[in-house]
Amino acid sequence: SQTIHQWPATLVQPVGSPLSLECTVEGTSNPNLYWYRQAAGRGLQLLFYSVGIGQISSEVPQNLSASRPQDRQFILSSKKLLLSDSGFYLCAWSNYRPGQLAYSNQPQHFGDGTRLSIL
Amino acid sequence: AQSVTQLDSQVPVFEEAPVELRCNYSSSVSVYLFWYVQYPNQGLQLLLKYLSGSTLVKGINGFEAEFNKSQTSFHLRKPSVHISDTAEYFCAVSPGGTSYGKLTFGQGTILTVHP
Repeated sequence: SQTIHQWPATLVQPVGSPLSLECTVEGTSNPNLYWYRQAAGRGLQLLFYSVGIGQISSEVPQNLSASRPQDRQFILSSKKLLLSDSGFYLCAWSNYRPGQLAYSNQPQHFGDGTRLSIL
Repeated sequence: AQSVTQLDSQVPVFEEAPVELRCNYSSSVSVYLFWYVQYPNQGLQLLLKYLSGSTLVKGINGFEAEFNKSQTSFHLRKPSVHISDTAEYFCAVSPGGTSYGKLTFGQGTILTVHP
């Protein structure tokens, strides 16, 4: 069966420090990968998604970046954190089927999230 | 573009009572619809999904939802709730075609079940 791991579970960082959050998926190949941020009382916002190694699409302009160095690894980074980067960050994956154009009927499966607090 | 509105930010109910969590969406194209549940400090768990076919969809934990295309709604229901159903519930939509499965979420509804 497929599993998704995120770490760390919680993180407290000072303003201006760098960030690296990691997400890995097991039990599937060539998944679509997603990073979401959940701010208090604001629902979930899609930040980045990736359909393959090295392929990153950004949904909103921000202080963050994403990378996919391996098929099942997705990293969220920042060079200098801002107070507004605080939130709950969730990684997700969905199945990809070669030749299937309509990916969107595959549900997304979420990790347990990283709670990031900026001081 | 799509948007999702969850009409109630908080829903308090007593144990064993029925509950309905309301969700309306807007989209210029056909969409797939999902309900997720989030327990405190955890990720999201898929409750159910509507892709096509029967408009009444049954999910895990006794939940069901009905897709109403004319009213662009996808309300979530459970005939008898338990204390363990206390959580935040999110409605989400994904457009068909080559959208890469991107989800647009509602703001969430906090369901609190009282004894």
